[in-house]
Amino acid sequence: GDSVTQMEGPVTLSEEAFLTINCTYTATGYPSLFWYVQYPGEGLQLLLKATKADDKGSNKGFEATYRKETTSFHLEKGSVQVSDSAVYFCAYGRGKLIFGQGTELSVKP
Amino acid sequence: ETGVTQSPTHLIKTRGQQVTLRCSSQSGHNTVSWYQQALGQGPQFIFQYYREEENGRGNFPPRFSGLQFPNYSSELNVNALELDDSALYLCASSLRRQQNTEAFFGQGTRLTVV
Repeated sequence: GDSVTQMEGPVTLSEEAFLTINCTYTATGYPSLFWYVQYPGEGLQLLLKATKADDKGSNKGFEATYRKETTSFHLEKGSVQVSDSAVYFCAYGRGKLIFGQGTELSVKP
Repeated sequence: ETGVTQSPTHLIKTRGQQVTLRCSSQSGHNTVSWYQQALGQGPQFIFQYYREEENGRGNFPPRFSGLQFPNYSSELNVNALELDDSALYLCASSLRRQQNTEAFFGQGTRLTVV
């Protein structure tokens, strides 16, 4: 069935390091793809999205490109900050979302 | 523009009891979805409501039920609570008429079943 697979966490980085969180999906058709972020004790916030192949979503220095040929939507940021520490979820769908298991990111000063 | 709000924020119930969780959708949104997020896991889709009708359901038993009201707010009801129902319950609203629209989430209700 349809599913989303994210790289396992936790990921621990030093401030200003480069971040990549891998995400691949299996789905029928061409769903929209999303990255959500969850800070401790809070709900989910939409970080970025892409609605078709080769689209690049970007927000707050984070980027992800919808790769149809590799069914991937990897999240990247060139220089992470301590404030980026959170759990990141990759998801796909149209209205109804299928989520990955989440990747916890911890950024140390 | 108001965001998605959920109540209560925390709740403790005893096994076998019933619980009702509430959600007010974002202004202008006509679709509400509910998700269950167990500790350390990604959210799992429970069901979605559009125009007061259930519009899709995930792999959850019938003791999970819902309602949507004319103002698009929604309730999630869970009967005969089990210990495994302990989780964060998230409500999300969206605009169904738009293809590929994103969902906006509330802060969640943390349910603990003892």
